[in-house]
Amino acid sequence: EAGVTQFPSHSVIEKGQTVTLRCDPISGHDNLYWYRRVMGKEIKFLLHFVKESKQDESGMPNNRFLAERTGGTYSTLKVQPAELEDSGVYFCASSQRGSPLHFGNGTRLTVT
Amino acid sequence: AQSVTQLGSHVSVSEGALVLLRCNYSSSVPPYLFWYVQYPNQGLQLLLKYTSAATLVKGINGFEAEFKKSETSFHLTKPSAHMSDAAEYFCAVSFPTGNQFYFGTGTSLTVIP
Repeated sequence: EAGVTQFPSHSVIEKGQTVTLRCDPISGHDNLYWYRRVMGKEIKFLLHFVKESKQDESGMPNNRFLAERTGGTYSTLKVQPAELEDSGVYFCASSQRGSPLHFGNGTRLTVT
Repeated sequence: AQSVTQLGSHVSVSEGALVLLRCNYSSSVPPYLFWYVQYPNQGLQLLLKYTSAATLVKGINGFEAEFKKSETSFHLTKPSAHMSDAAEYFCAVSFPTGNQFYFGTGTSLTVIP
């Protein structure tokens, strides 16, 4: 089966610009998660979708971050406007209920 | 509150030596525990998982981990390190009642020839 795919793999933008990250989960996985790792720190939860519904968005840093999962398939995470502290690696993961997470390769975001 | 602590952000071992990566968790309910590995420029891959069955769990690539409730630990071991084991390792915890996973800060393993 195809794994979780993320696009782009790298993004370099200037402070104040907008960036949209995309995640395609494994087909049939209802659960989709976004995580972020800032350099040297732990992987932190951002939010969790079950199908197209936001189950938990308690980890979203602020209202500059907007995640969507229209139709319950792929998801996008938009950062607008980007700030320097948003730099990091953004991981997407998907799972069936009760199963381990399957991760994508991540998007490395650099805000300059 | 739930959390995961990985002692040692960097660990170096000689090729052929024992690998020991430490993970302790805090939880008010019985947890599920996982070890993930991240090779350079790749996503996280599941190494092994504990979900309340046998306390000694065997994973891929010769790794294993033992759940010790009394010590709230889930340390990862491998008897003999190989050069290809060089990667970053993450311990994670989740719970049967929910879908959220909590990760440690990661341990970078270097294998010295």
